[in-house]
Amino acid sequence: ETGVTQTPRHLVMGMTNKKSLKCEQHLGHNAMYWYKQSAKKPLELMFVYNFKEQTENNSVPSRFSPECPNSSHLFLHLHTLQPEDSALYLCASSPEISGNTIYFGEGSWLTVV
Amino acid sequence: AQSVTQPDIHITVSEGASLELRCNYSYGATPYLFWYVQSPGQGLQLLLKYFSGDTLVQGIKGFEAEFKRSQSSFNLRKPSVHWSDAAEYFCAVVDNDYKLSFGAGTTVTVRA
Repeated sequence: ETGVTQTPRHLVMGMTNKKSLKCEQHLGHNAMYWYKQSAKKPLELMFVYNFKEQTENNSVPSRFSPECPNSSHLFLHLHTLQPEDSALYLCASSPEISGNTIYFGEGSWLTVV
Repeated sequence: AQSVTQPDIHITVSEGASLELRCNYSYGATPYLFWYVQSPGQGLQLLLKYFSGDTLVQGIKGFEAEFKRSQSSFNLRKPSVHWSDAAEYFCAVVDNDYKLSFGAGTTVTVRA
């Protein structure tokens, strides 16, 4: 138990569907992150939020839309995805965004069919 | 740009034997260094980290890592592996910015 909870753990969606991934952290952290982990590739940073404000969008396609309503919750809204978007999506948090330890959730396995 | 290299894609080790996983980074100043472990179907768990001070860092599950500035390395070691140590291991580096760069990972298989 890392204090970062992701739901759902597994998601299968069609290319025309709209779904959302949810992340909640119980650590009192101010920074939250979305990472993508694909097979045989290094983890890719997607988005960073600091005090609810987006500070990083790492050239992520617009079919991925993040939302951070408060410092404890982070969503990733998904629409019109492609099969190559199938991956493990990891949420993480840290006390601040500057050089702190980052704690990860267990991930949401996404399969796009 | 910051980069992290894990030269070994896959290592097989016998239970009870020692394990060393290599990690090299490219960065001018002293970075913040991390090792994470990922068991199948799970997220990443922090094993240990180095920010400053003693270059030999102790972590959880009996792991340790040593920062060697001259070699730009942060190798992970465990004296005696257990079957439960079979997993994928990631070295990561944070530079001046908050960005965490990961290596490609090393998969460890433990044979009985």
